[in-house]
Amino acid sequence: DQQVKQNSPSLSVQEGRISILNCDYTNSMFDYFLWYKKYPAEGPTFLISISSIKDKNEDGRFTVFLNKSAKHLSLHIVPSQPGDSAVYFCAASARGAGGTSYGKLTFGQGTILTVHP
Amino acid sequence: DTGVSQDPRHKITKRGQNVTFRCDPISEHNRLYWYRQTLGQGPEFLTYFQNEAQLEKSRLLSDRFSAERPKGSFSTLEIQRTEQGDSAMYLCASSLVRNTEAFFGQGTRLTVV
Repeated sequence: DQQVKQNSPSLSVQEGRISILNCDYTNSMFDYFLWYKKYPAEGPTFLISISSIKDKNEDGRFTVFLNKSAKHLSLHIVPSQPGDSAVYFCAASARGAGGTSYGKLTFGQGTILTVHP
Repeated sequence: DTGVSQDPRHKITKRGQNVTFRCDPISEHNRLYWYRQTLGQGPEFLTYFQNEAQLEKSRLLSDRFSAERPKGSFSTLEIQRTEQGDSAMYLCASSLVRNTEAFFGQGTRLTVV
């Protein structure tokens, strides 16, 4: 049961253009979402996050949009740079028992982004 | 602080052998997580600790797997009687309780031959 899905295994973009990575989730208990970036032979690196009380969060070239009714989020990278080429993972979390804190992350399968010079 | 550290980086073992991996989290982080990643998939949750207490363990986790965090600092993950299907990247991450963002180590790549 894949609760977090990234349906595009790969995306190729020209340098300077916008990269849009998509993610869908099925578990309505998820209310915190994160994007991680992973280079080969390294662990995932946190990029940006969004709480379900927001529909947009921006950090420099990176913006995450959340559509709760559609259970969909997306990561926009503008402008894209060759150094952005990596695997991008969407992750989601739900509050634990008692509703006080978050626990484990549930990840999507990842999207390989390639930015061409 | 140099971040989350995992040892070894690579491990090749014969089927049926036991292996143990170590994770040293960021020093002030009280949460520690273990994930497993196979080719073409995202990290899959295995278990996590808050201080020395193991708070959750994946239902998919075989009883051949055991994890400890005896003093609330470093953690070990042991796999007994390894099988070829155990071949994967084992990732450790740590965080503060109040934060959801987890910081990952570089992982231990296990190959069972």
